[in-house]
Amino acid sequence: ETGVTQSPTHLIKTRGQQVTLRCSSQSGHNTVSWYQQALGQGPQFIFQYYREEENGRGNFPPRFSGLQFPNYSSELNVNALELDDSALYLCASSLASTYEQYFGPGTRLTVT
Amino acid sequence: GDSVTQMEGPVTLSEEAFLTINCTYTATGYPSLFWYVQYPGEGLQLLLKATKADDKGSNKGFEATYRKETTSFHLEKGSVQVSDSAVYFCALRGIGNEKLTFGTGTRLTIIP
Repeated sequence: ETGVTQSPTHLIKTRGQQVTLRCSSQSGHNTVSWYQQALGQGPQFIFQYYREEENGRGNFPPRFSGLQFPNYSSELNVNALELDDSALYLCASSLASTYEQYFGPGTRLTVT
Repeated sequence: GDSVTQMEGPVTLSEEAFLTINCTYTATGYPSLFWYVQYPGEGLQLLLKATKADDKGSNKGFEATYRKETTSFHLEKGSVQVSDSAVYFCALRGIGNEKLTFGTGTRLTIIP
């Protein structure tokens, strides 16, 4: 059974650019949640997708957007990057919305 | 809103010492409570969980008891090993809620 995978592992972008991060959910899971983990902090909930629909959102501006595909993989898009967007972005998949979440290794984004 | 307060680190202990990492929470009703562990360069792994008052979660020698009266979920281990060195996160999920709310994490270092 393949776990949650994320790509790329690391990414460096310039302020104002746009970035797309990808996540493949664990086999059989239809729900994907995204979290932002700033250095030295706990993860903060960005949003969740359940069966291709957004199913909840944290306190993040609209320039953070996402997609979920029919195979339940997901993308996180961030427009107009700011220096404070530098963080580890974690994806977690689960069997359903309120079930146990399994985390991927994360994508480390650095904005310069 | 929901919140989690964790004991600030870093915590440094000698091998075989007793470990306690304090965690208290604020939430309505009876949330589910979790401890996650993050090893260097990796994503989050679920260590243990408890879903109702007085439940004890346990795994790999770690234990935590859901105390509704003190709104606490302290993590304990009787004899730590060097391999337990990691960052530990306390988290909760409110009833019917899709997101996890995390504490800021406690970095644990075990010295031989």
